[in-house]
Amino acid sequence: DGGITQSPKYLFRKEGQNVTLSCEQNLNHDAMYWYRQDPGQGLRLIYYSQIVNDFQKGDIAEGYSVSREKKESFPLTVTSAQKNPTAFYLCASIISTGAMNTEAFFGQGTRLTVV
Amino acid sequence: AQKITQTQPGMFVQEKEAVTLDCTYDTSDPSYGLFWYKQPSSGEMIFLIYQGSYDQQNATEGRYSLNFQKARKSANLVISASQLGDSAMYFCAMREIQGAQKLVFGQGTRLTINP
Repeated sequence: DGGITQSPKYLFRKEGQNVTLSCEQNLNHDAMYWYRQDPGQGLRLIYYSQIVNDFQKGDIAEGYSVSREKKESFPLTVTSAQKNPTAFYLCASIISTGAMNTEAFFGQGTRLTVV
Repeated sequence: AQKITQTQPGMFVQEKEAVTLDCTYDTSDPSYGLFWYKQPSSGEMIFLIYQGSYDQQNATEGRYSLNFQKARKSANLVISASQLGDSAMYFCAMREIQGAQKLVFGQGTRLTINP
C-alpha cells in the first residue's frame, strides 16, 4: 500500500543533542512538508521541498535543518539550537507542484520530548 | 501574503445538528486549493474535502460540504447530521499553485458533539 511513514512514533532527546526524524513516502509525490504542532495549536510550517535537492524555509525554520537527496525521503533534524523542541511533528506530501485537485497525505507523526 | 484564519477556537453542538466551521483566507494567487482536515485525539490528519479556486460548484463528500464564497474569501465547512465521532480538531488549509506553493494551516477549531 502506498503511503507516508514517519519514524519513530515517540522520541526522547536530551538537551544539547541533535535528533533526526524520518519521513518516507512511496506515493511518487513531488512536494513534501514538515510541520510542528504544539498542544491545542495549529500546524506551523518548518520546511518544505518541491523537488529533489531543493527546499525552502517555512515560518519557523530556526533550529531545524532538512535534506532532500531522494524524492521519497525528507528527513528533519532538530538541532540543539532549537530552544523548545518538545512538540508533535507531522510530515506531509502532495502529488505534484502544479496540480490543483490534490490531497495532501500525512504521516502518523512523531512526538518529540526533551528530557 | 498567504494566510488562513479560523476564528472559532471551540464549538459545542448537539448530536444530529448541522454545524458550520468558519474559514477565511488571503492570497494574491488566482490559482489555489482549499482543504479541510480532521484531527482526532490520536493526532492523525484525516482529509475531508477539497475545493479548487476555479471549481464552479461547492465540493461535497458525504456529510461534509464546503461553502465556498470566492469574493468573500471564505471556505466554511458544513457537517450535516453531526455524530459523536465528529468530535475532534478541524483545520482549514490552503495551497497556492503558482506562488511559493506552501501548504498553510489555520489555528483550528475544536468541535465537541454533545449527546
